[in-house]
Amino acid sequence: DAKTTQPPSMDCAEGRAANLPCNHSTISGNEYVYWYRQIHSQGPQYIIHGLKNNETNEMASLIITEDRKSSTLILPHATLRDTAVYYCIVRVTGSARQLTFGSGTQLTVLP
Amino acid sequence: NAGVTQTPKFQVLKTGQSMTLQCAQDMNHEYMSWYRQDPGMGLRLIHYSVGAGITDQGEVPNGYNVSRSTTEDFPLRLLSAAPSQTSVYFCASRPGGTGELFFGEGSRLTVL
Repeated sequence: DAKTTQPPSMDCAEGRAANLPCNHSTISGNEYVYWYRQIHSQGPQYIIHGLKNNETNEMASLIITEDRKSSTLILPHATLRDTAVYYCIVRVTGSARQLTFGSGTQLTVLP
Repeated sequence: NAGVTQTPKFQVLKTGQSMTLQCAQDMNHEYMSWYRQDPGMGLRLIHYSVGAGITDQGEVPNGYNVSRSTTEDFPLRLLSAAPSQTSVYFCASRPGGTGELFFGEGSRLTVL
């Protein structure tokens, strides 16, 4: 699975959009990009995933660059409850291999 | 649905003791896995299973055993606990394909 690089921490004002970047320059054509988050010491929570098209769900939007070497997770209106560690992961579709988590980005939403 | 259930939530062991962390899922998921998370760190994969009767090692398998006799259950055994195994343990499951991982609430283990 391709390695990902994320900034260790970011701040965002409450009500503003939070844009979390992820670099995955060695991603291959059959690898999906997944985003999870972990609030306090709870189990990680799935947010969204995509292959090459932009994706949106009720939680967030995922923007993947055309060359697929980087992506951005967008939380459109961040709230204090969005304060968490956000993990960007790439994985081959159908792979039996389980997700490998890096260190992630600590997002702090400020009042 | 209960989702992924882990027991116990908290456990204190003495060095050399053995114990089993239980994990059960009621979503009929093929894949199950165990992760550990040390303070301030990301999750590291210990063992995983792609179906009943099939298990494989992850990044940090030493000191742990697993088995998968049913689709629902995936227990993690610590054979002889060491202080280095003090951590939070998460069990997760997912369906096949591109399915998302569902995590349990974690089991917090302290080895003295």
